[in-house]
Amino acid sequence: GQQVKQSSPSLTVQEGGILILNCDYENDMFDYFAWYKKYPDNSPTLLISVRSNVDKREDGRFTVFLNKSGKHFSLHITASQPEDTAVYLCAAGENQGGSAKLIFGEGTKLTVSS
Amino acid sequence: DMKVTQMPRYLIKRMGENVLLECGQDMSHETMYWYRQDPGLGLQLIYISYDVDSNSEGDIPKGYRVSRKKREHFSLILDSAKTNQTSVYFCASSLSTGSSAETLYFGSGTRLTVL
Repeated sequence: GQQVKQSSPSLTVQEGGILILNCDYENDMFDYFAWYKKYPDNSPTLLISVRSNVDKREDGRFTVFLNKSGKHFSLHITASQPEDTAVYLCAAGENQGGSAKLIFGEGTKLTVSS
Repeated sequence: DMKVTQMPRYLIKRMGENVLLECGQDMSHETMYWYRQDPGLGLQLIYISYDVDSNSEGDIPKGYRVSRKKREHFSLILDSAKTNQTSVYFCASSLSTGSSAETLYFGSGTRLTVL
């Protein structure tokens, strides 16, 4: 089964709005969580990540919340902009000597309409 | 300039042919990965390499093998390609700090079509 799951294949939000992308995982040994952003015909790039010793990390308009007991993490985007239109991939993994075998979700296609 | 380079960018092969996908990185990263991306499935890990000749299966290794003879190069090989291996393949690398996971840097992908 899918170890990391994104419940929404697609989302649309008005420019300036707030949105939340959700991700659930199965393996409670996972201790590293990340969100990657991917434009069409481009490679994924890291947006924000968090380790399991914190439950929140903020970077500008982007905040990741981690709920370890619920095996859930989310990405909050505020003041959304047209350039936020992309596919967002959540990923989770277990630290293994400094490397994480990252497992990705299916992706959520976000459209920010102006 | 930190870079992961994949060759070729596009490739069309016939069923049964051998396929070689090449990946290089100039960051001296120990860990390298091969993923494939299919609609509705996200990125699926095929193989992970922790260093030269230190490779480990990912979630979908069947039908693939890899080779890492130099730290900066990681190859994905399909012996006798199948039509269900039509996909976009991404290579990635990451720095292993010994204590925590780090960012994955992805190549631009190879779009493989098996006819």
